[in-house]
Amino acid sequence: QVQLQESGPGLVKPSETLSLTCSVSGASIRNYYWSWIRQPPGKGLEWIGYVYYGERTNYHPSLRSRVTMSLDTSKNQFSLKLSSVTAADTAVYYCARERNLGYFDFWGQGTLVTVSS
Amino acid sequence: QSVVTQPPSASGTPGQRVTISCSGSSSNIGSNAVYWYQQLPGTAPKLLIYNNNQRPSGVPDRFSGSKSGTSASLAISGLQSDDEADYFCAAWDDSLNGPVVFGGGTKLTVL
Repeated sequence: QVQLQESGPGLVKPSETLSLTCSVSGASIRNYYWSWIRQPPGKGLEWIGYVYYGERTNYHPSLRSRVTMSLDTSKNQFSLKLSSVTAADTAVYYCARERNLGYFDFWGQGTLVTVSS
Repeated sequence: QSVVTQPPSASGTPGQRVTISCSGSSSNIGSNAVYWYQQLPGTAPKLLIYNNNQRPSGVPDRFSGSKSGTSASLAISGLQSDDEADYFCAAWDDSLNGPVVFGGGTKLTVL
């Protein structure tokens, strides 16, 4: 069974960089797309982007200037960096396997990141 | 405001059939597959329907999906109290080479 687990700081200061890692077990990250999705408290889901083998990426147009995603095949992990954060970036961040565009078949449990000084 | 529109709420009584709609455009639902996700309170979303109308293994056949033109629907028959959750539709959007767009979500209440 494929399992994903997010890790990283739960509190980030405004203007700093949010960094999260997703550890994957039960599947190789050399296959499929590996995505980040976020959900502000009490709101809907927002796709942030994906990374796939060869460091090819695709990001949400509204976040493209601030997002970087990468893979670490030696650890079977992938990561998200979001720079210049504001309170609007406060959300539960999920990592997920994107089997096809929009098709998320396995999700992490999510991690709450709060942007506050 | 989402580019894919869902009603914010829906409700039904146990045993009833409920339908949740998802309305988009030619660049997303009109030209790409639709997916449905169920999010129980305090948990991560779970895939419910893929490729418009296919159920992953383990999803009861009480859940069904359909698509016509730029709209899609999720139907839940034989409503159960465990079905009380938020439901989201999603599709790839061809404009600007993405993104995945999600509907705003529908909160289903079982009365």
